[in-house]
Amino acid sequence: GESVGLHLPTLSVQEGDNSIINCAYSNSASDYFIWYKQESGKGPQFIIDIRSNMDKRQGQRVTVLLNKTVKHLSLQIAATQPGDSAVYFCAENRSNYGQNFVFGPGTRLSVLP
Amino acid sequence: ETGVTQTPRHLVMGMTNKKSLKCEQHLGHNAMYWYKQSAKKPLELMFVYSLEERVENNSVPSRFSPECPNSSHLFLHLHTLQPEDSALYLCASSQARGYEQYFGPGTRLTVT
Repeated sequence: GESVGLHLPTLSVQEGDNSIINCAYSNSASDYFIWYKQESGKGPQFIIDIRSNMDKRQGQRVTVLLNKTVKHLSLQIAATQPGDSAVYFCAENRSNYGQNFVFGPGTRLSVLP
Repeated sequence: ETGVTQTPRHLVMGMTNKKSLKCEQHLGHNAMYWYKQSAKKPLELMFVYSLEERVENNSVPSRFSPECPNSSHLFLHLHTLQPEDSALYLCASSQARGYEQYFGPGTRLTVT
């Protein structure tokens, strides 16, 4: 069935290296995507978003790439820091579902010293 | 206070108890949401309010009853819950439906 999913449930990265977190979606009608970061004991925090008319969007140390051909979304974190350790969720907005976001299961990022 | 706040942060209740979760947003948003977050499950949307009107109820059992008295406040009334209802309950708000959502810290609920 249709779903938003993450390829890797866990990811360990050396401090200072770049991290790449992936997300697959199945509905080609989705037109808005968000990456959230959830630290332990906190609610999800907005990181960056992208609309379907774009392929790439950059923020501070983060870049989101959207490949509509293969329905793939990725979050790149440059120079990963210990404070980046968290669970990362992608969320997909499907306009034919009444503009509600559907969240992926999440990927846990662990930054190694 | 800024952003989205939730109280209490932790709640333990028996199956026969009645309790309420409270959410308040200080962002001037028009839409508010309740989500359930269980271990090993994606975030599950429970209820959506837009301009204080409930616009969505995702087949949530009647033991969960939402209330939105105004655009800044959202409640989730709990009654005769089951142990499987133990989870983190997250409140969120957004400028309007379809816009990025801002989440509160959640209420960790344990049903004994």
